[in-house]
Amino acid sequence: QKEVEQDPGPLSVPEGAIVSLNCTYSNSAFQYFMWYRQYSRKGPELLMYTYSSGNKEDGRFTAQVDKSSKYISLFIRDSQPSDSATYLCAGPNNAGNMLTFGGGTRLMVKP
Amino acid sequence: EADIYQTPRYLVIGTGKKITLECSQTMGHDKMYWYQQDPGMELHLIHYSYGVNSTEKGDLSSESTVSRIRTEHFPLTLESARPSHTSQYLCASGGQTYEQYFGPGTRLTVT
Repeated sequence: QKEVEQDPGPLSVPEGAIVSLNCTYSNSAFQYFMWYRQYSRKGPELLMYTYSSGNKEDGRFTAQVDKSSKYISLFIRDSQPSDSATYLCAGPNNAGNMLTFGGGTRLMVKP
Repeated sequence: EADIYQTPRYLVIGTGKKITLECSQTMGHDKMYWYQQDPGMELHLIHYSYGVNSTEKGDLSSESTVSRIRTEHFPLTLESARPSHTSQYLCASGGQTYEQYFGPGTRLTVT
């Protein structure tokens, strides 16, 4: 079983829509999760990180962790064409000694 | 936020050549990583280091080698490049927590 899994998409939404990106993870012991944004042909950029359960908000972005279902989400409000990118979730690997990344979800926001 | 640099950004080279991809970071991070990523595909960890004189192979088998003689420098070497090595190579660094900060990547093409 992959340690972190996400739907590859692509997910296509109109400008201004609320976007929901989701990941599942397998290591129930850890409480530290991250979202990265990767534009085409660039390195991933750390977007948000969150500890334990609950929500964390930063501008138009909200990260949410549901430990009971091992589910992490990233919500983007008022999506913009500049949000078009691949979003990678990351969490601890099964050994708990480093990050492991999901395969990424490609998001396209159409004007 | 880490400052992490990779050179060259783009490299086209013939089969059989020896190449070294450079990666440097200015944040004093102990942990450094090399990933390989094909277009539209997921990240694959090929090497990592937790400090000077410490290197480990990652999940994806690679014919490349790395060295860590100085904290800030983590070069990757291919002794004899082949077309199958054509890919994007991403370097990352991280401190005491799990976050990783990525460089811009080196896009390698072997003809």
